[in-house]
Amino acid sequence: GQSLEQPSEVTAVEGAIVQINCTYQTSGFYGLSWYQQHDGGAPTFLSYNALDGLEETGRFSSFLSRSDSYGYLLLQELQMKDSASYFCAVSTGGFKTIFGAGTRLFVKA
Amino acid sequence: DTGVSQDPRHKITKRGQNVTFRCDPISEHNRLYWYRQTLGQGPEFLTYFQNEAQLEKSRLLSDRFSAERPKGSFSTLEIQRTEQGDSAMYLCASREGLAGYNEQFFGPGTRLTVL
Repeated sequence: GQSLEQPSEVTAVEGAIVQINCTYQTSGFYGLSWYQQHDGGAPTFLSYNALDGLEETGRFSSFLSRSDSYGYLLLQELQMKDSASYFCAVSTGGFKTIFGAGTRLFVKA
Repeated sequence: DTGVSQDPRHKITKRGQNVTFRCDPISEHNRLYWYRQTLGQGPEFLTYFQNEAQLEKSRLLSDRFSAERPKGSFSTLEIQRTEQGDSAMYLCASREGLAGYNEQFFGPGTRLTVL
C-alpha cells in the first residue's frame, strides 16, 4: 500500500520554530510537496523537494532525504496566521499525488 | 483567488440523484486533477488529465464517478446515484506541464451534501 505519516497536531508559541515531519511509503517517488490549508479554504502550495537537501522560501524551509523516505517542513518566526493544517504530498511514479492526513498547527500568543 | 474556479460552490442533493461539478483551470495549465476531501483528512486523489486525456483514475473510484475534459480546458465530474458516503468537498487543481515543477493550484471546491 501507499502511506504518508505525519503528526496529527502540533502546538507552538508565536515567534517559535516548529518542524512537521513526514515519512512516506509509496510505490514510486518523484518528489515531496507541502501545502497549507486554512479552515474553509483550499490547499495552497508551499514547497517542493525532488532532490535531497534543504529548500528555503522565506520563513518556510523544507527538507528531503530520499534514502530515509523522510521529509520535514520547518516554519520559523511563527505568526498567528500560520495556524492551519499542513499536508505533505508525494508525486508518485504515475500521475498520482498522494496526500498525508495533515498536521494541524496551533500557534498560541 | 488562485485563478481556478469551481461551480457550484455548494450542492445539496438527495440520495440516488446525479450531480455534476465543473472546474475551470488556469488557462495555460494543461494538467488537471480532481480530489475529494473529508473533514480532518487530506485530499484524496480521484483522477488526472493531461490536456483532454484522462491518464490516471483512482482504483478507489467506483463506476458511479466519471470525469471529462472535452477540449482540454474546463473539466466536469459527475457522480451518478449519489450515496451519503459521497458527501465531501470536491477539489479541482491545475498546474503547468514543466518538468520538475510541481505546484498545483487548487480551486475553492464544491461541497456536496447527500441527504
